[in-house]
Amino acid sequence: RKEVEQDPGPFNVPEGATVAFNCTYSNSASQSFFWYRQDCRKEPKLLMSVYSSGNEDGRFTAQLNRASQYISLLIRDSKLSDSATYLCVVTPPGTYKYIFGTGTRLKVLA
Amino acid sequence: DAGVIQSPRHEVTEMGQEVTLRCKPISGHNSLFWYRQTMMRGLELLIYFNNNVPIDDSGMPEDRFSAKMPNASFSTLKIQPSEPRDSAVYFCASRDQGASHEQYFGPGTRLTVT
Repeated sequence: RKEVEQDPGPFNVPEGATVAFNCTYSNSASQSFFWYRQDCRKEPKLLMSVYSSGNEDGRFTAQLNRASQYISLLIRDSKLSDSATYLCVVTPPGTYKYIFGTGTRLKVLA
Repeated sequence: DAGVIQSPRHEVTEMGQEVTLRCKPISGHNSLFWYRQTMMRGLELLIYFNNNVPIDDSGMPEDRFSAKMPNASFSTLKIQPSEPRDSAVYFCASRDQGASHEQYFGPGTRLTVT
């Protein structure tokens, strides 16, 4: 089993739609969780950290479910500019390493 | 602030040649990471340094790969000899250990080995 797994997509959604991605991780002791965004042929950039209590940043909501070992990202009222690959990141306990999922590709259609 | 700087941005070389990729982290950041990204395997951590010292190189694929960080503002990733399967985008990232977990990525070097 991979350490971090994501559905690769692509998710094709119309503008204004709500879309959700999940990411599962195998190490129950993982300590930090993030969502990064990567545009085509660009570097990954931090979208948001994921906290145990869940957190929201505008149209984006991230949640962590430690019991089931998954994190989620919800995008409301999707925009054309949200089209990108969304990478789930998990850090193993006691390290500063990032373990990346392979990413979920989102295309928002006009 | 300049961000993480990588050079070259593109490199095309023939199999068997030596390749050197360069990275300048953000000033003041004390952790540096080298990643490789391919379609098949996604983003993989190759090695990371804290305060110029290699901490974990378990992701380095084989002896053909080596990385150095002679000072806080410069790191290299060397492949010798290069092979076609090394073709990928290589990213460098840096982090301020005392601030947050966020890693800041450079623009990457796109390597093609023919």
